[in-house]
Amino acid sequence: AQSVTQLGSHVSVSEGALVLLRCNYSSSVPPYLFWYVQYPNQGLQLLLKYTSAATLVKGINGFEAEFKKSETSFHLTKPSAHMSDAAEYFCAVSAGNQFYFGTGTSLTVIP
Amino acid sequence: GAVVSQHPSWVICKSGTSVKIECRSLDFQATTMFWYRQFPKQSLMLMATSNEGSKATYEQGVEKDKFLINHASLTLSTLTVTSAHPEDSSFYICSARRYETVSGEQYFGPGTRLTVT
Repeated sequence: AQSVTQLGSHVSVSEGALVLLRCNYSSSVPPYLFWYVQYPNQGLQLLLKYTSAATLVKGINGFEAEFKKSETSFHLTKPSAHMSDAAEYFCAVSAGNQFYFGTGTSLTVIP
Repeated sequence: GAVVSQHPSWVICKSGTSVKIECRSLDFQATTMFWYRQFPKQSLMLMATSNEGSKATYEQGVEKDKFLINHASLTLSTLTVTSAHPEDSSFYICSARRYETVSGEQYFGPGTRLTVT
């Protein structure tokens, strides 16, 4: 069975501080992992994806994530938060025909 | 590439009427499209999976007679909410998967905000 757990439904960081959003997964097959961002009243925008190539994946807007098989994790990071990063972030695992989403993490950036 | 559009972006309808939402893959062929529903401050809930030319597969608890899904071509899927009620008010998001994808990556539309009065 596949599942995704996002620790922390709300994360607040100061502008310029490190952003760390946690994602752990369980998968019975080698996973494909994704991070999406959602701004209010909009669809999901792909930030980055892991598809069994490099374990450190760089995405858009300065985000990156590292796939750690031993920890079954795929945490999202950004060295320096911007005000425009305030949004909802979803981690997802792809298995077979479906996506399995985490419950989401709302990121607040404090000026 | 890989752009998915939805129309309309928002709609208000009266209770008892039906509403159709379109989902289009603009620059690729999508053999599979997905419909999600999202409540405020919550994650996406998969409603159904549709494959071009065949009947949609609905998730448990989703009324197939209420949420009619048609995937008539490789670039278009529609969701019709029949006899809408206020509890159907929600944010509906579609996604599409390329025919040749290995990772199963889905490309998401911008969503449709449905309000039933």
